[in-house]
Amino acid sequence: GAVVSQHPSWVICKSGTSVKIECRSLDFQATTMFWYRQFPKKSLMLMATSNEGSKATYEQGVEKDKFLINHASLTLSTLTVTSAHPEDSSFYICSGNSGVRWGETQYFGPGTRLLVL
Amino acid sequence: AQTVTQSQPEMSVQEAETVTLSCTYDTSENNYYLFWYKQPPSRQMILVIRQEAYKQQNATENRFSVNFQKAAKSFSLKISDSQLGDTAMYFCAFITARDDKIIFGKGTRLHILP
Repeated sequence: GAVVSQHPSWVICKSGTSVKIECRSLDFQATTMFWYRQFPKKSLMLMATSNEGSKATYEQGVEKDKFLINHASLTLSTLTVTSAHPEDSSFYICSGNSGVRWGETQYFGPGTRLLVL
Repeated sequence: AQTVTQSQPEMSVQEAETVTLSCTYDTSENNYYLFWYKQPPSRQMILVIRQEAYKQQNATENRFSVNFQKAAKSFSLKISDSQLGDTAMYFCAFITARDDKIIFGKGTRLHILP
């Protein structure tokens, strides 16, 4: 299957700082990328959907000013957690597909574990 | 509302046994895809199997097969000859043409015992 990478895999930061997480599709062009959040032993919660070159669509309850998503190219999407607080500590996962047709298999990144102290 | 229900939070089976994970879903759409994803301890999400709703034939991938009952909105996963590497969290999910975003169940944690 296609490969999606995330960087960093682990990040620890102080409360109040901003953290950027990168998501890259390595061998396909990801027209659409998705960002999820996963709490321990829980399911994936979709945060937002981004299409290359346009603004992200956020799910209800997700603060767009806190979780900034940029999808500037067909292979790169970034999630910036601004002014991070301990409650933002979580596992963040991105996924992508080529967006050619609906229902395409989404390929997931390995995730980024964020710990805010 | 579109939902996925996995009624078994946790299961354990002996290596080499066959195990079935249950999943039911609810949608008013007729055009959708169903998935089983595996999340091992590494937390990398891996697609196990995919089923198109308009296909009556059950999908199979090596030791993994599904029992798709469209009228009952049921989509169970059977793992044959289970292996230690099958230990993982398994998520049932679907996507519809209307929304094009995956709806996940809460997952079933599967332990394969040596």
